[in-house]
Amino acid sequence: SQQGEEDPQALSIQEGENATMNCSYKTSINNLQWYRQNSGRGLVHLILIRSNEREKHSGRLRVTLDTSKKSSSLLITASRAADTASYFCATDEGGSYIPTFGRGTSLIVHP
Amino acid sequence: DAMVIQNPRYQVTQFGKPVTLSCSQTLNHNVMYWYQQKSSQAPKLLFHYYDKDFNNEADTPDNFQSRRPNTSFCFLDIRSPGLGDAAMYLCATSRLKNEKLFFGSGTQLSVL
Repeated sequence: SQQGEEDPQALSIQEGENATMNCSYKTSINNLQWYRQNSGRGLVHLILIRSNEREKHSGRLRVTLDTSKKSSSLLITASRAADTASYFCATDEGGSYIPTFGRGTSLIVHP
Repeated sequence: DAMVIQNPRYQVTQFGKPVTLSCSQTLNHNVMYWYQQKSSQAPKLLFHYYDKDFNNEADTPDNFQSRRPNTSFCFLDIRSPGLGDAAMYLCATSRLKNEKLFFGSGTQLSVL
């Protein structure tokens, strides 16, 4: 069953702008993960944030987690055309430790 | 350097003809997963292994089965593919549960 829901479903921006994607979920979790998928390829792990953490950074990526609102956001700063991809959040539904994915946000960065 | 390898990259089968997809890993990870992803949809977990312990998702059709003969290999068997089984099949591994997943490039299955 699907746990996370990403918002927006699609996002189109210009190179250099920031991109923000949100993920909401329904049950308690142990961690939340963000993945990237280029068209027709496998997923690539970006960041894992645990339920007792509020923010994590990796390069141009910033992830926040608000367990009281059951939501997370992924911020990509200074976007590049190469960031064009689909971005998925994954949560371990009910604390199961097994990732369940949302439908993703399709990001297009125009050069 | 490939760590999770899926073969073949593209697979075409006929309606009702059994098909096997394969996945191998060089990471020595304990957990292996199979996800099904249809166009513009979320990857849907079919089953996972923790070592030899097999875990089937409740809504995975009986038509789908899996084998993990050793740590490195995992197979997805579709006994009688239907048109609705056309999808990308993604294999992933993790060292332990609750850790990040490493994905293969996927096998795109077409059913004619």
